[in-house]
Order: sequence, then C-alpha cells, then structure tokens
Amino acid sequence: ETGVTQSPTHLIKTRGQQVTLRCSSQSGHNTVSWYQQALGQGPQFIFQYYREEENGRGNFPPRFSGLQFPNYSSELNVNALELDDSALYLCASSLGGLVPGLAGETDTQYFGPGTRLTVL
Amino acid sequence: SQQGEEDPQALSIQEGENATMNCSYKTSINNLQWYRQNSGRGLVHLILIRSNEREKHSGRLRVTLDTSKKSSSLLITASRAADTASYFCATAPDGNKLVFGAGTILRVKS
Repeated sequence: ETGVTQSPTHLIKTRGQQVTLRCSSQSGHNTVSWYQQALGQGPQFIFQYYREEENGRGNFPPRFSGLQFPNYSSELNVNALELDDSALYLCASSLGGLVPGLAGETDTQYFGPGTRLTVL
Repeated sequence: SQQGEEDPQALSIQEGENATMNCSYKTSINNLQWYRQNSGRGLVHLILIRSNEREKHSGRLRVTLDTSKKSSSLLITASRAADTASYFCATAPDGNKLVFGAGTILRVKS
C-alpha cells in the first residue's frame, strides 16, 4: 500500500465526452504527477502539480487539464475524449520541493492503483 | 519519446532462478529508479540508485549503474512466482518528471 488512492477504478465513456479522474495523495506530499499508460507501454508523463500550481507538462494537448487542492487531493480532466485516450491513468505523489539530502534530485514517487478509462 | 529502454521485452524463468533485466537511457541523470507493476495496476517503487553509486542491494534485488554506458541492470535472485510482473526503469532528465521505458515482462513459473 502506497497510501495513494484513485477513483473510479474503471470508467467507460464515449467519444466526445468529458471525464474527471480523482487522486488522493499521501498526507504531506506537495507534488502530484499524472501519467497515461497505454496497453503494453510504459507510463507517459502528462503533467505535475506542486502546491496547486502546474509544475511541468508532457506532450499532451490542452484538453488534458488538472487541479490540485490544499487537502492533498487532485483531479485530471480530459475534454473531447478520443478513442486513443483509452488507457490506464496513474497519479503519483511525492514530497517535492526542497528535500534535505536530495537537493536537485528526484524523490521517490508513490503511485496509486490507477483508473482504467475506456473510450468507445 | 522514451528515455529508458528495457531489455529483454519478456523473460520467462523457473522459480528459484535469477532474473536479469537491463535498461539503457539517453541523457545524463541524477539517479535511476526501478518500478514493478502487477497486472496493469499501480507501480511499486523498488529501488533508487544515484549517479555516483555503482551498485545497490535491497533484499533479493541488486541494481547496477554504469553511467559511462548509460545503462543499468536489475537482478532478482531466487525468483518466486510472486515476482511475476512488469518491471520498468525510470529516469528524470527534466526535474521530477519520470520518463519510463516500455518495460520487461517477467514470468516466473512454479
């Protein structure tokens, strides 16, 4: 158990619809990252939030957006769903910011179980 | 684009045997991490090795890092059926955003 939860577990939508996926980070973790994992592939970085501000974005269009809240919860929103958006969506929380002993380094990310999105 | 590339893509071994997976990456790194994923669910962090370390152990896991060759290997000794999973290496060439390879699928037969 990583202490990171995601909801829902599974979701089926149709093309053109909008979807909101939710994540609850470990308490005290100021950074949340979202990843998309297509079948048979490794996770692809979507974006990251640090203390409610976007802190980097991968190669995903603007219809992928996010929010991070002060209570360590966050959301991934996807508008105008496309068939290729079908994937496992993973959130990961980490301490982020200035971590003693890890200055300038990556700190460990703790992943949730993921949300399986199917777009028909 | 993917920073890390794992090799082999799939590996099938008998319980009790050792499993070795390799990872190559493209840019300079501060550290490299290995993750495990069971049945398409969440990833579990296994081990992090820093760029100034050459080898690191954690239980039955042994990770090596060769920054001159931009490669790393993960060795699982005395494998168990429960080790059946996909294994990914990940680096962070741009801050704290992990870049994963396509993974190695390990199957341990009992």
